[in-house]
Amino acid sequence: AQSVTQPDIHITVSEGASLELRCNYSYGATPYLFWYVQSPGQGLQLLLKYFSGDTLVQGIKGFEAEFKRSQSSFNLRKPSVHWSDAAEYFCAVGAPAAGNKLTFGGGTRVLVKP
Amino acid sequence: GAVVSQHPSRVICKSGTSVKIECRSLDFQATTMFWYRQFPKQSLMLMATSNEGSKATYEQGVEKDKFLINHASLTLSTLTVTSAHPEDSSFYICSARSSGGDADYGYTFGSGTRLTVV
Repeated sequence: AQSVTQPDIHITVSEGASLELRCNYSYGATPYLFWYVQSPGQGLQLLLKYFSGDTLVQGIKGFEAEFKRSQSSFNLRKPSVHWSDAAEYFCAVGAPAAGNKLTFGGGTRVLVKP
Repeated sequence: GAVVSQHPSRVICKSGTSVKIECRSLDFQATTMFWYRQFPKQSLMLMATSNEGSKATYEQGVEKDKFLINHASLTLSTLTVTSAHPEDSSFYICSARSSGGDADYGYTFGSGTRLTVV
């Protein structure tokens, strides 16, 4: 079965600083990987996804993520955070061999200091 | 882009009553819909997967008689929490997957329903 680990529960970053959120996955085949963002009391918005091809994926809101198969990682980055980036971020792995279910990591809460 | 509408956004019900939550794909056909439950400050836990026209597949530990899922059309799935109890209070989120191939392996999420059972 697939699993996702987000090692950092909370991250505090100053506005304008860079941000990196870690994600490690376990899956027996080529994974489909996703990053979502959730504001309080809201659903999830897709930031970016990786299926195949270029391992550096560009997403919305200035985010990017890099798939590293050797490290089983799919870390999310943003060069310069804005106060509006404060939210909960979830990494997820899709499993075509398991009914296309998404398995989510525990999430990382990002706080942005002025 | 793909939009999923989930209603209601908030609902308060009395213990012992039933509550129905709707999830609609507005501009695409959702062959598969997923229902998640999210406890405060926690991740999403998959409850069940529903495919249009067939019975839902429930995850281990989820009571199918308590959480009734119906996916009668390609644009609508419903989750009914029967005989609700305070411990059922939670945030419920649906997700719909379009019928595209690998190039469209996308999931669109509803905005969630906050259920409070009193």
